[in-house]
Amino acid sequence: AQSVTQPDIHITVSEGASLELRCNYSYGATPYLFWYVQSPGQGLQLLLKYFSGDTLVQGIKGFEAEFKRSQSSFNLRKPSVHWSDAAEYFCAVGASRDDKIIFGKGTRLHILP
Amino acid sequence: SQTIHQWPATLVQPVGSPLSLECTVEGTSNPNLYWYRQAAGRGLQLLFYSVGIGQISSEVPQNLSASRPQDRQFILSSKKLLLSDSGFYLCAWRSSQAFFGQGTRLTVV
Repeated sequence: AQSVTQPDIHITVSEGASLELRCNYSYGATPYLFWYVQSPGQGLQLLLKYFSGDTLVQGIKGFEAEFKRSQSSFNLRKPSVHWSDAAEYFCAVGASRDDKIIFGKGTRLHILP
Repeated sequence: SQTIHQWPATLVQPVGSPLSLECTVEGTSNPNLYWYRQAAGRGLQLLFYSVGIGQISSEVPQNLSASRPQDRQFILSSKKLLLSDSGFYLCAWRSSQAFFGQGTRLTVV
């Protein structure tokens, strides 16, 4: 069965600094990988997804993620964060296009002015 | 376009009372439907998923049940709520990605 680990529960960065959120997954075959963002009290919005092809994936709001099979990782990055990026971020994995999606426990991002 | 409706947005229920949360999807047919619960520090836990009418898979043993009486309707229920059932419940449907409703904040008192 697939699983996802987000090792950082909280991360604090200064506005304008670069960001990397870590995600490791466990799955025997090529997974379907996702990053979602959740603002307080809201539902989840998809930032980006990886199914196949180019391992560097571009998403919305200036985010990107890189799939590294050798490290079973799918880390999320942004070159320069904005105060509006403060939210909770979830990495997720699915076994196929239609299978259930399993989420990590999330990383809460705090932005210092 | 596809939309997902989930209600109510907030709910306060006493321990031992029944529960019914409803989720409906528009603009698609035969969707895969999911119920997740989000509790503090535990991320999103998959509770149930359904690939068709009357087909329910349970991911974790618990006090809750799910039903899918119609193609685009997914209901989360409980006969007697526990304090531990408090949390933020999210309904989702999936094509290539998962689309989420706005969630229901359930507080059991």
